[in-house]
Amino acid sequence: DAGVIQSPRHEVTEMGQEVTLRCKPISGHNSLFWYRQTMMRGLELLIYFNNNVPIDDSGMPEDRFSAKMPNASFSTLKIQPSEPRDSAVYFCASSPGHSADTQYFGPGTRLTVL
Amino acid sequence: GENVEQHPSTLSVQEGDSAVIKCTYSDSASNYFPWYKQELGKRPQLIIDIRSNVGEKKDQRIAVTLNKTAKHFSLHITETQPEDSAVYFCAASTGTASKLTFGTGTRLQVTL
Repeated sequence: DAGVIQSPRHEVTEMGQEVTLRCKPISGHNSLFWYRQTMMRGLELLIYFNNNVPIDDSGMPEDRFSAKMPNASFSTLKIQPSEPRDSAVYFCASSPGHSADTQYFGPGTRLTVL
Repeated sequence: GENVEQHPSTLSVQEGDSAVIKCTYSDSASNYFPWYKQELGKRPQLIIDIRSNVGEKKDQRIAVTLNKTAKHFSLHITETQPEDSAVYFCAASTGTASKLTFGTGTRLQVTL
């Protein structure tokens, strides 16, 4: 199994631009999670999906952030417009999702907003 | 909702010594407690986990203990080695779609 796949691995953009991060979960996993990690705030859960349905988006910092999961094998996290304070590492994780299960993290996308 | 507190935030030990990291949780319904290790520039990776029907679990030099009454769990690393240097995160889950609540992390430094 290839594990959780994220793209791009690095993204550098200018303030005001739209950024789209992509994630492919492990095949057969029913839950998908988006996290943001910074030195100041640690590992923050932004949103999670179960069976492609958003369950809890209370961690999404503001309306500039949106996430979708159109099918079981693909999810996107979009930031529009981006700001320098959005600079962070964004992780996607997936889990079998049946009950209390291990989450498997992707390699992350390092976002830098200039 | 669940709240997980983790201590200490940094820990320095000499190679060969033991390291202990402690976490407390608030939701008595939590029943799954994984520990993740994150090396610099890498993703968090599961190293050991424990479920609420078990009090202790070991895997070579790593062990985790759980006290449900006190709502705390701990990670024990024996005979530490330089490659154990990393940030360690504890987490707790009530089982709702596998959502995890993470602690704030412990940076472990193993010195020669």
